[in-house]
Amino acid sequence: QVTLKESGPGILQPSQTLSLTCTFSGFSLSTYGMGVGWIRQPSGKGLEWLANIWWDDDKYYNPSLKNRLTISKDTSNNQAFLKITNVDTADTATYYCARMVLITHVMDAWGQGASVTVSS
Amino acid sequence: DIVMTQAPLSVSVTPGESASISCRSSKSLLHSNGITYVYWYLQKPGKSPQLLIYRMSNLASGVPDRFSGSGSETDFTLKISRVEAEDVGIYYCGQLLENPYTFGAGTKLELK
Repeated sequence: QVTLKESGPGILQPSQTLSLTCTFSGFSLSTYGMGVGWIRQPSGKGLEWLANIWWDDDKYYNPSLKNRLTISKDTSNNQAFLKITNVDTADTATYYCARMVLITHVMDAWGQGASVTVSS
Repeated sequence: DIVMTQAPLSVSVTPGESASISCRSSKSLLHSNGITYVYWYLQKPGKSPQLLIYRMSNLASGVPDRFSGSGSETDFTLKISRVEAEDVGIYYCGQLLENPYTFGAGTKLELK
């Protein structure tokens, strides 16, 4: 069974760096074709894909945020990470991580989400 | 960026009847490998999105066969036959053909 769980600071102030962790089980990021993606959703709004990382450490970022995003992984501890620098109120959202599978090119399992509020 | 446009924004359905949701992309989602990279997700109230359909017409594991996906290169349809109470939520189409991956604004399904 594939499970993912996001964790983050909950609240942070404008201009700070947001650090998110995705802890997963049921698959390995050292296995060919596996990946983890990050998606966010402001309250009451739609989905915005942010970034994803693959088993071979290939990384892709949403160009609209690329300069502020860094995605990484810790294969031995089954974790993936996302950092967003210089946050502002527009970054307030629920952040999801999802497993990605190369063969079907799909985000097939999502975490429960971590709520992040940026406020002074 | 590829824009995904869904219609309608909301739909009200009598349990047992069928419902269709449309999605249009601003660019063909048909890859040269013959695969169409459109996906459908359902976000139930207070929950995270769950995969329903992948690559236009493939039913995800554990999803009832009341759900089906179809379409062309730019126009796609999610059909739900015999709608049940558990189908309530917001349906999103999305494209994973090219960066950045993008999603439609969502269609809210309610019961009459």
